[in-house]
Amino acid sequence: GESVGLHLPTLSVQEGDNSIINCAYSNSASDYFIWYKQESGKGPQFIIDIRSNMDKRQGQRVTVLLNKTVKHLSLQIAATQPGDSAVYFCAEEEGGGNKLTFGTGTQLKVEL
Amino acid sequence: SQTIHQWPATLVQPVGSPLSLECTVEGTSNPNLYWYRQAAGRGLQLLFYSVGIGQISSEVPQNLSASRPQDRQFILSSKKLLLSDSGFYLCAWRRDSNEKLFFGSGTQLSVL
Repeated sequence: GESVGLHLPTLSVQEGDNSIINCAYSNSASDYFIWYKQESGKGPQFIIDIRSNMDKRQGQRVTVLLNKTVKHLSLQIAATQPGDSAVYFCAEEEGGGNKLTFGTGTQLKVEL
Repeated sequence: SQTIHQWPATLVQPVGSPLSLECTVEGTSNPNLYWYRQAAGRGLQLLFYSVGIGQISSEVPQNLSASRPQDRQFILSSKKLLLSDSGFYLCAWRRDSNEKLFFGSGTQLSVL
């Protein structure tokens, strides 16, 4: 079946550096993508989303890049802060579908 | 603004006992509602979703059931809990498919 996977289970960065979290997806019919942040013991928090008619979208300190050719999604966090430490999940969905499929997550650790 | 309430936050239940987790959404009408389960250190698995009152779609055959007795109320139930039902249960809502999904704070269920 289709799957959403992440390249790295754990990413360590220095405070103030930029972070890049990657995600590969295999369903070529997916046209909606979301990034979530989850802190320990809490529900996932929406960060940013992107549709397949775009290849880049920016938010506050975050940028999502979508490369449909190689089915790759990335989340860039600028000037990473200790409060950014969490598990980050990407999720994908087919157009008109009602099943958002989540990846296994990347643990981001911010070192002081 | 819209809010989602999920309770209880933690629950310890013996094997074979019944389960009822409740989720309510405020500030919107006719939302799509979802139940996810998350095993420790893992991604999110979609259990059930509902696009309207009395309409339930099951994604994974299991020992659980869901009901939507009111527009903004979603209930996850079991008649007899198994050890394998332990996990972090998350309720979520959104306006429509291919839209942002918003999660509740989750219920940590331990079946002993």
